[in-house]
Amino acid sequence: DADVTQTPRNRITKTGKRIMLECSQTKGHDRMYWYRQDPGLGLRLIYYSFDVKDINKGEISDGYSVSRQAQAKFSLSLESAIPNQTALYFCATSEATGVGPSYNEQFFGPGTRLTVL
Amino acid sequence: QKEVEQNSGPLSVPEGAIASLNCTYSDRGSQSFFWYRQYSGKSPELIMSIYSNGDKEDGRFTAQLNKASQYVSLLIRDSQPSDSATYLCAVNPTGGGNKLTFGTGTQLKVEL
Repeated sequence: DADVTQTPRNRITKTGKRIMLECSQTKGHDRMYWYRQDPGLGLRLIYYSFDVKDINKGEISDGYSVSRQAQAKFSLSLESAIPNQTALYFCATSEATGVGPSYNEQFFGPGTRLTVL
Repeated sequence: QKEVEQNSGPLSVPEGAIASLNCTYSDRGSQSFFWYRQYSGKSPELIMSIYSNGDKEDGRFTAQLNKASQYVSLLIRDSQPSDSATYLCAVNPTGGGNKLTFGTGTQLKVEL
């Protein structure tokens, strides 16, 4: 079974629609992240959560919102989708603490390919 | 200046050769460095992490870190066609908590 799962895997929607992307993990990690990836721009952080009550904006949070429903679940919403939000979206997790800096290691879900027409 | 820089490639090497991938970073206080492999349309997969100056070997992979020169590299020995992918360098910046800053990746092509 996959440690980090994302649903849906593919989604095509229209401008103005509300979209939710979901992420679940069985790794027991406290910290979760949402990234988007665009050709030539690499991975960019949208939001991150260090625990259920701690949610923080990343470098490109405008137009997005998140919800941390439980330690294992972190959802990303696009309230009113626009075409330039067409991208590959990844959820990632990491430990909160650990021996040495290895807890900075992040593990990614399979991704959601979102197309906004 | 980008925080984490990589040559986009493609870097082409023949099968069996050593592939050398390089990454430079701007935050001198960075402490943790990671290499991810990403096949087209797939998610990044962690292959190496390094925290101390010098070399770290894991199978065919060797990560090299030089904090004074602010670069980290990844060597892939006996390159195989299955190594053809984009390799992402990631850095944990000073005061970044668990956050990582990613480079845009280097595309590696291993040719038969």
